[in-house]
Amino acid sequence: QSALTQPASVSGSPGQSITISCTGTSSDVGSYKFVSWYQQHPGKAPKLIIYEGTQRPSGVSNRFSGSKSGNTASLTISGLQAEDEADYYCCSFAGSLYVFGTGTRVTVL
Amino acid sequence: EVQLVESGGGLVQPGGSLRLSCVGSGFTFRSYWMHWVRQAPGKGLVWVSRINTDGSSTSYADSVKGRFTISRDNAKNTLYLQMNSLTAEDTALYYCARSPYHFDHWGQGSLVTVSS
Repeated sequence: QSALTQPASVSGSPGQSITISCTGTSSDVGSYKFVSWYQQHPGKAPKLIIYEGTQRPSGVSNRFSGSKSGNTASLTISGLQAEDEADYYCCSFAGSLYVFGTGTRVTVL
Repeated sequence: EVQLVESGGGLVQPGGSLRLSCVGSGFTFRSYWMHWVRQAPGKGLVWVSRINTDGSSTSYADSVKGRFTISRDNAKNTLYLQMNSLTAEDTALYYCARSPYHFDHWGQGSLVTVSS
């Protein structure tokens, strides 16, 4: 049950696009469509922003998009805004278990 | 409005026990799998355990297997986590979360501190 690998930090200027990678294995990300992404602001509970790899819940900005290729999932934030500054976590179903990513701090310059 | 409210956290000595509760409202509690996810101070999210709709199937992270027990009372719309043999490494904010295969609603968390 090793955590999925994410970059520790990613930064960008307002209006730019950034992409966060989430690398797992053939036992988790590579085997299931159930990859989800969460945004967490300091002192707050996580918020679901992408599920099933590419789907956005109602109310989530279309600036957030997800994709997957092989054992790696990705989250792209386009048109970066100050409010996007937060921690982001991926998560994959892995059979009867779940595994989260190591987390990425997004900084808006 | 979906709400999940955790309680039962606190300070406990190493080797001690604690039971967390999570009350759900605003949705049909018995229709959803439920999970516990924890976050140590300044660290990332870690999945802990899940239970199916009627409580007949559970699973655990290796780090808590044999020490923690997840259960639910659908009549009371309540999820539980019994934590035994606690160590300092269990110190964390414990969230309950609702799912099918993703966690679409979270509580605000209950803080567990294991220290002498």
